[in-house]
Parts: sequence; structure tokens; C-alpha cells
Amino acid sequence: GNSVTQMEGPVTLSEEAFLTINCTYTATGYPSLFWYVQYPGEGLQLLLKATKADDKGSNKGFEATYRKETTSFHLEKGSVQVSDSAVYFCALRNNAGNMLTFGGGTRLMVKP
Amino acid sequence: DVKVTQSSRYLVKRTGEKVFLECVQDMDHENMFWYRQDPGLGLRLIYFSYDVKMKEKGDIPEGYSVSREKKERFSLILESASTNQTSMYLCASSPGTGERNTIYFGEGSWLTVV
Repeated sequence: GNSVTQMEGPVTLSEEAFLTINCTYTATGYPSLFWYVQYPGEGLQLLLKATKADDKGSNKGFEATYRKETTSFHLEKGSVQVSDSAVYFCALRNNAGNMLTFGGGTRLMVKP
Repeated sequence: DVKVTQSSRYLVKRTGEKVFLECVQDMDHENMFWYRQDPGLGLRLIYFSYDVKMKEKGDIPEGYSVSREKKERFSLILESASTNQTSMYLCASSPGTGERNTIYFGEGSWLTVV
């Protein structure tokens, strides 16, 4: 079956630091990959996605590249801000299906 | 913008009570979902529906049921709430299948069972 593994948090960084949150997956076929973000007290918002190998998703300064050879989709940002403090979820969906499989979430805390 | 609205943000219920969590989406989406979110476990799918009156079990359906009488509304029902159902519940919807099938989430309902 499908599964997503992401690094455990919390990840604590100072403002303007470089961010990496690791995500690896197991899936049959060629899934689409997603990063969702959950700000405090809110639901999940789609941050970025990639639908095929070597695609790069990007949004709000965040990037992730779909690496089929390493089954990874690591999230990166060059310079984090306090407003980036949130929980980040990596997820996959088989293109033939409707459902997402989520990782356990990684809490990011950015200090001024 | 797509809007997924969960009617109750915070609920406190007693053990054994019947609990209804309501979700409405305004974009004529085919698919609707109920997830449960717990620390360290991520989101786990309880039930989903791909059409009116249709439902499929997700990964953790035990103790829950659902109802989809109208396309825009998907209800999660706890027939007899228990303390281990204290959690955050997230409703979601999506238009169909394929690459453009983005899933949109509501803001969540925090349920505490005492």
C-alpha cells in the first residue's frame, strides 16, 4: 500500500535560516505528490504539488522536487520567516484515485 | 475560491452521546472526505463519498458513519461517542479524478468527548 514518511518535529529555526523538511514515499505506479500547510487554528491549505518525476512545485518561496529515483519530495525554503511557523504535511495520491495518503506532519517553529 | 465549511469549530460532548459533524462545500464537487487528525499520526481517512448517497470506508471507519443526502453536504456521525474519539476532524472535497483533482479542506472541528 501507499505510505508517506516525513521527519519528526518540531523543527526550530531562526528567521532567515534555510529550511529542509524531508519526505519519502512508497507507492505503486506514479503518484502525484503534495505539500500541505496548516497554520495554527486552521485547516490544511495546499502549498505546492508535483505530478510527475523531476517536476518542481513552488509557492511562497517554498520548493520541492519530485525525485523518483530516491522516492522523495523534500520541502525547502531559502529564508524562513516567523509567519512560516505551521505544521507541514507531505502527501501522495495515485493518479487513478481520489484519496490522499498523508505523512505524520512536521511542526516548524521560526523564532525572530 | 472554493469554500469548505464545517459548521462547528469546537464541540464538547459526553460519552455515549450521538454527535453530528456537518460539512458543506460550494463548488459542486463530486468527492467529499472526512479525516481525523491526531498528533504524530497525520491525517487518517475515515470515510469518503464520490456521489450522492454513495460512501466508502476509509482507513479507520470503526465507530463512525456518514450521510450524503445532497451533493454539497457530507455529515459525519458518531453513534455513541467515546473518549478515544476526541480529536480534530477535517472535512475535504475535490472535483473528480486526474491531475487537476486538488483536494480542499475545511478549517476543522475540534471534538472533545468527556
